[in-house]
Amino acid sequence: SQQGEEDPQALSIQEGENATMNCSYKTSINNLQWYRQNSGRGLVHLILIRSNEREKHSGRLRVTLDTSKKSSSLLITASRAADTASYFCATPIKGSARQLTFGSGTQLTVLP
Amino acid sequence: ETGVTQSPTHLIKTRGQQVTLRCSSQSGHNTVSWYQQALGQGPQFIFQYYREEENGRGNFPPRFSGLQFPNYSSELNVNALELDDSALYLCASSRAGGGPANEKLFFGSGTQLSVL
Repeated sequence: SQQGEEDPQALSIQEGENATMNCSYKTSINNLQWYRQNSGRGLVHLILIRSNEREKHSGRLRVTLDTSKKSSSLLITASRAADTASYFCATPIKGSARQLTFGSGTQLTVLP
Repeated sequence: ETGVTQSPTHLIKTRGQQVTLRCSSQSGHNTVSWYQQALGQGPQFIFQYYREEENGRGNFPPRFSGLQFPNYSSELNVNALELDDSALYLCASSRAGGGPANEKLFFGSGTQLSVL
């Protein structure tokens, strides 16, 4: 079963716009990760945020975490066509940092 | 590009057959995990291997089994294949210990398994 659920399932924007994806999860966590997947191939780690952090930045990425609402968001600013991919949030299974449960993903399409 | 390699990239089997998928982990990594990703879904954790032993297992039946070798490479074996086993199988490596910097996973490009 999927612990995290992303919203929206699909998002289509124009190049240069910002893209926001949301993730909700069910149980207490000590960290949350975001991954990206191009065309059904391997996943690439984007960013990890800890439960005691509220916001984290990495380049054009901004992640927030609200543990009281059990939710996280991923913001991609100034999007590019190359950002077209599926984005997944992932949380640890039973506190094991390297055993993850993934959400169902958001398919982002950035139109040139 | 990660240093995790998987083989084969594609595989077609028939129901009831057995399959072995292989994974070479990234240099310096000692932990290997396997995930199953059905079309349109997120990856689901199958199991993890550390020091050649299973170190955690998801909700998969015993016909899914694995091995980790002394060089940290790994195999995923699936017996008595079913149609629902058709999926992308992803291998991910990481390094146990070493603090937060080692908590992210490095994925291979996957093996696409089709069961007919």
